[in-house]
Amino acid sequence: DGGITQSPKYLFRKEGQNVTLSCEQNLNHDAMYWYRQDPGQGLRLIYYSQIVNDFQKGDIAEGYSVSREKKESFPLTVTSAQKNPTAFYLCASSIEGPRPGAGELFFGEGSRLTVL
Amino acid sequence: DQQVKQNSPSLSVQEGRISILNCDYTNSMFDYFLWYKKYPAEGPTFLISISSIKDKNEDGRFTVFLNKSAKHLSLHIVPSQPGDSAVYFCAAANQAGTALIFGKGTTLSVSS
Repeated sequence: DGGITQSPKYLFRKEGQNVTLSCEQNLNHDAMYWYRQDPGQGLRLIYYSQIVNDFQKGDIAEGYSVSREKKESFPLTVTSAQKNPTAFYLCASSIEGPRPGAGELFFGEGSRLTVL
Repeated sequence: DQQVKQNSPSLSVQEGRISILNCDYTNSMFDYFLWYKKYPAEGPTFLISISSIKDKNEDGRFTVFLNKSAKHLSLHIVPSQPGDSAVYFCAAANQAGTALIFGKGTTLSVSS
């Protein structure tokens, strides 16, 4: 089945450690995104990539890094510089940028990161 | 500063009645709007969208209305069902089409 797979679903990290969240899609979508959800905050954009080997910072990119070496993969690294990393992280993809007629964003099931 | 605002954190409705979820935006460059539905511990799923060239879009029980002069859109669910209980996010995209900006969400509870 086509879709977006995020792993791991749950992750615990000690303070000061980097951690990488995986996001893989087999929808042949060009664009991929990372959002963060906190209670009462909605979804906030961390990074997005419109095409392979290119990515852009979103609203809250500080303390995060990404790579887009392959069309189907867009891993997110939460570095020790991220001051409040405990959150629910959502990866998404779309055929292209979110233009009318381009189709909607498809989301993965999310990864919950807890810093101990 | 929030560009997409959902000012009601929660809404409770009885089964069979209409649910109206509201969303306001501040950026006049937004020209494409979407609603997403989200259950706990899952990713959001697309519900319905509307382009700024329209003022209404309907899909089954779901209708989205857009009032560009007021920078306001609303999602109507008629009739509401218990399975509609979820968090609903309003989202907007600008002409650059780089990414969606989401509101904080409204939690809808439909009681039977």
